[in-house]
Amino acid sequence: LAKTTQPISMDSYEGQEVNITCSHNNIATNDYITWYQQFPSQGPRFIIQGYKTKVTNEVASLFIPADRKSSTLSLPRVSLSDTAVYYCLVGAIDNNAGNMLTFGGGTRLMVKP
Amino acid sequence: AAGVIQSPRHLIKEKRETATLKCYPIPRHDTVYWYQQGPGQDPQFLISFYEKMQSDKGSIPDRFSAQQFSDYHSELNMSSLELGDSALYFCASSLPSGRATNGEQYFGPGTRLTVT
Repeated sequence: LAKTTQPISMDSYEGQEVNITCSHNNIATNDYITWYQQFPSQGPRFIIQGYKTKVTNEVASLFIPADRKSSTLSLPRVSLSDTAVYYCLVGAIDNNAGNMLTFGGGTRLMVKP
Repeated sequence: AAGVIQSPRHLIKEKRETATLKCYPIPRHDTVYWYQQGPGQDPQFLISFYEKMQSDKGSIPDRFSAQQFSDYHSELNMSSLELGDSALYFCASSLPSGRATNGEQYFGPGTRLTVT
C-alpha cells in the first residue's frame, strides 16, 4: 500500500475554499486516490475518488498532477459543518473481492465563523 | 435510502466478558468490513467478508472472530475483553462485485464498546 502524508490540521473560515494536499510518492500504476470525511463519533463517508487529472462532484474537486505523486482535495466555500477529519487513501480497486481501507494520519479541518 | 445498521449502538462490558456486535449491510451489498477506532485514533481495519467468505484480515486479535451469514449480515464476536478493547466499532458494506466502480464503502453509525 502506498504511504500517504497529509497535514495534521488546518484552519479555515466560513465561505473560504480549502485545499488539502496529500503526498503519495510511491503510488502504484493501478492505485486510485480516494478521500473520506469523518465527523466525531460517526463512520467515515466517501467524498471523492480519482485516478488522474481532475474529478469534480457536488461536494468537492480532486486535482491529481500528471506524476500522481500527490493530490489535492478542494472544498469550495466551506461551512461550519465541514469541520471534520479528512483522510486520503491510496490503493488498488478490486471489484471481485472487496477492498480494505487503510486509514492513516488524516487532516483535522476546523472551520471557524 | 437504506443504510448500514449496527447493533447495539452502545455496549458496556466488564473485563474478561464476551460481546457480540451485529452488522446489517445495505440491501444487496455482499461485502462487509469491520473497523475499530480507539479514542483519538484512526479507524483500523479488522476483517472483511465477501460472499460469506473471509476476504481480508487485518489487525484483529485472536480473541475476536467474525462471520457473515447467508443473509449477508455479519457478527463480530469478542471474548476475554480487555480495557484496551474500548473503542468504536464500525461496520461498512460495499456494492456487489462487478457493479462497484470505485470500491466505495458505506459505513454504519458504529457500536461504542466500553470495557470496565
